[in-house]
Amino acid sequence: AQKVTQAQTEISVVEKEDVTLDCVYETRDTTYYLFWYKQPPSGELVFLIRRNSFDEQNEISGRYSWNFQKSTSSFNFTITASQVVDSAVYFCALSEDQGGTYKYIFGTGTRLKVLA
Amino acid sequence: DTGVSQDPRHKITKRGQNVTFRCDPISEHNRLYWYRQTLGQGPEFLTYFQNEAQLEKSRLLSDRFSAERPKGSFSTLEIQRTEQGDSAMYLCASSLAGYWGAFFGQGTRLTVV
Repeated sequence: AQKVTQAQTEISVVEKEDVTLDCVYETRDTTYYLFWYKQPPSGELVFLIRRNSFDEQNEISGRYSWNFQKSTSSFNFTITASQVVDSAVYFCALSEDQGGTYKYIFGTGTRLKVLA
Repeated sequence: DTGVSQDPRHKITKRGQNVTFRCDPISEHNRLYWYRQTLGQGPEFLTYFQNEAQLEKSRLLSDRFSAERPKGSFSTLEIQRTEQGDSAMYLCASSLAGYWGAFFGQGTRLTVV
């Protein structure tokens, strides 16, 4: 069965600190996709990044970076120099390869509070 | 705005009443999804459409729930005889085959009193 675990329920940091959000997943599929979404108070889930299971290249995009390690089934997300606007709930999600259909298994989310 | 839009944003209803939500996906997206999110939890998959065909329904979608997507454009989700346990955020998303992930609307928050 597929499962996504976000062990951190809530994290508080002071503005400009770096913060890493952890995600551990379980799947028996050999091809799958991993995602991070941000949910601000408005409720909309904002797409941040997707990674497929055969692409372990880590990436930096502005203040965001991702660390995907198949050996430990982890897909962690780091925000560098956090800002108050980063305050939101962040969800990690897993989707098996279904030809472009995204039936996500979401984690329970990590609430990030960035204090000024 | 060309994102996914949902209507209404909030709905309060009495137990036993029927409610209907609408979702307008991104216009060129052929796949449309409904998810349900309860407080403190991640969204859970309910059902999805490819064009007008409903291809999969989760076991979470009881007989009181029905979804349609006539003509493969907007979709409606109806809940009949609402129960307090139906109180949740109902999220709609859409995607295009081969595109990088699904895009979500702002959701409809249902409160059953």
